[in-house]
Amino acid sequence: GENVEQHPSTLSVQEGDSAVIKCTYSDSASNYFPWYKQELGKRPQLIIDIRSNVGEKKDQRIAVTLNKTAKHFSLHITETQPEDSAVYFCAASDTGNQFYFGTGTSLTVIP
Amino acid sequence: DAGVIQSPRHEVTEMGQEVTLRCKPISGHDYLFWYRQTMMRGLELLIYFNNNVPIDDSGMPEDRFSAKMPNASFSTLKIQPSEPRDSAVYFCASRRMPGGTQYFGPGTRLLVL
Repeated sequence: GENVEQHPSTLSVQEGDSAVIKCTYSDSASNYFPWYKQELGKRPQLIIDIRSNVGEKKDQRIAVTLNKTAKHFSLHITETQPEDSAVYFCAASDTGNQFYFGTGTSLTVIP
Repeated sequence: DAGVIQSPRHEVTEMGQEVTLRCKPISGHDYLFWYRQTMMRGLELLIYFNNNVPIDDSGMPEDRFSAKMPNASFSTLKIQPSEPRDSAVYFCASRRMPGGTQYFGPGTRLLVL
């Protein structure tokens, strides 16, 4: 099955700086890559996703890049704000049914 | 749309008791997933259903865990008997189709004493 690895496990940045979280996957059949944000005590919520026919997608301060050849994808948050502090999960899915989640990155934005 | 609904939101029980967690997926979603989240093990997929049929239960930790989906709008996850190591947040999630966006419920925070 698919194996998703996520790095780093913790990340601290100064407010206004950028944050980058990276994930790798093993199954070349995976073609859908969502990112979830989970605030303390809350449910994971989708913040952005990308499909394999696209190399990059952007939504305001958040962007995701995908390199299918290298089997890795990354989340980029620019101009970070304290409310960006949360745990971020990447996931990979093929046209099957399961999502394979990374182990999460705890992001802290220091005011 | 009300989103995925889970009940109860919090459950405190004593070891050996039966626990039943409930989930109502988003209307029209054909896939339903049960996850368990702990600090040590992260987000684990326990079981998922497609059109009310269990497809993969390889993540169910042991025979004490069982899940059912009697109809398209309701699923249960049962633990009998419960143990302290079952303490975790249990999330239900649903999606409409393969490759579709998956939406999580608010979770049930379970504490087994």
